[in-house]
Amino acid sequence: NAGVTQTPKFQVLKTGQSMTLQCAQDMNHEYMSWYRQDPGMGLRLIHYSVGAGITDQGEVPNGYNVSRSTTEDFPLRLLSAAPSQTSVYFCASRTSGSYEQYFGPGTRLTVT
Amino acid sequence: GENVEQHPSTLSVQEGDSAVIKCTYSDSASNYFPWYKQELGKRPQLIIDIRSNVGEKKDQRIAVTLNKTAKHFSLHITETQPEDSAVYFCAASTTGGSYIPTFGRGTSLIVHP
Repeated sequence: NAGVTQTPKFQVLKTGQSMTLQCAQDMNHEYMSWYRQDPGMGLRLIHYSVGAGITDQGEVPNGYNVSRSTTEDFPLRLLSAAPSQTSVYFCASRTSGSYEQYFGPGTRLTVT
Repeated sequence: GENVEQHPSTLSVQEGDSAVIKCTYSDSASNYFPWYKQELGKRPQLIIDIRSNVGEKKDQRIAVTLNKTAKHFSLHITETQPEDSAVYFCAASTTGGSYIPTFGRGTSLIVHP
C-alpha cells in the first residue's frame, strides 16, 4: 500500500492564481481531512469528509473548496491564492474502525 | 467548540533526562486524546493515545496520563534520546460521530547529546 499520497510536494503561486492540491489513499478509508500547518499554530482543520459525496467545513475553510467523488481521492482547491495561504498542507485519512489518522507527506505552498 | 492548549512550546533537555509536555482541553465531552510526533520535514505520526476510561497508559519509554476532572493530560518521555527530537502535538476529541480532533499548537522537543 502507498498509504496517503499528496501532489505536488512543493508549489509556488502568484496572488490570484488557482490550483488544486491532490490527495489520494489506497486503504479504503472512509474519513479524509485537510489541515494546514503554520509555525506556532499547530494543525488546523480546513475541510473534512466522512465518505464519498459528503464534505463539511473545518476551522479555517475560507478560500478553499473540496469535493469527494470517490473514496480514494480528496482534492483541495484554492480558488484565488493569497499570501495568507502560504503554508504546509497535510491530507489525512482514517478508517471507521480506528481513530488513528494517517497523514500524507505534505505539500509546501508559497504564494507570492 | 473544543480548545486545546499545549505547553511548553519549546523544551530542551539533555540526553537521558525526562521530558513532560502538558495539554489542557475545554470540552468535557472529549474522551479520546492522541499524541502525534512530527520529525523535521516529515508527516505527523501517532505515537500513543488514551481514552477517558483510563488514567494512564505506557508504551516503553513513553507514557500518557489523563486527569478528566482537571481536563488535562500529559506526555512523559523517559531516558530521552537524540532521536526523540521532534515536534509533538496533543489532540482531543469525542469518539462519537465524525471524530474531528482539535490539535494543540505543538511542542518542539530538543534532546542534546
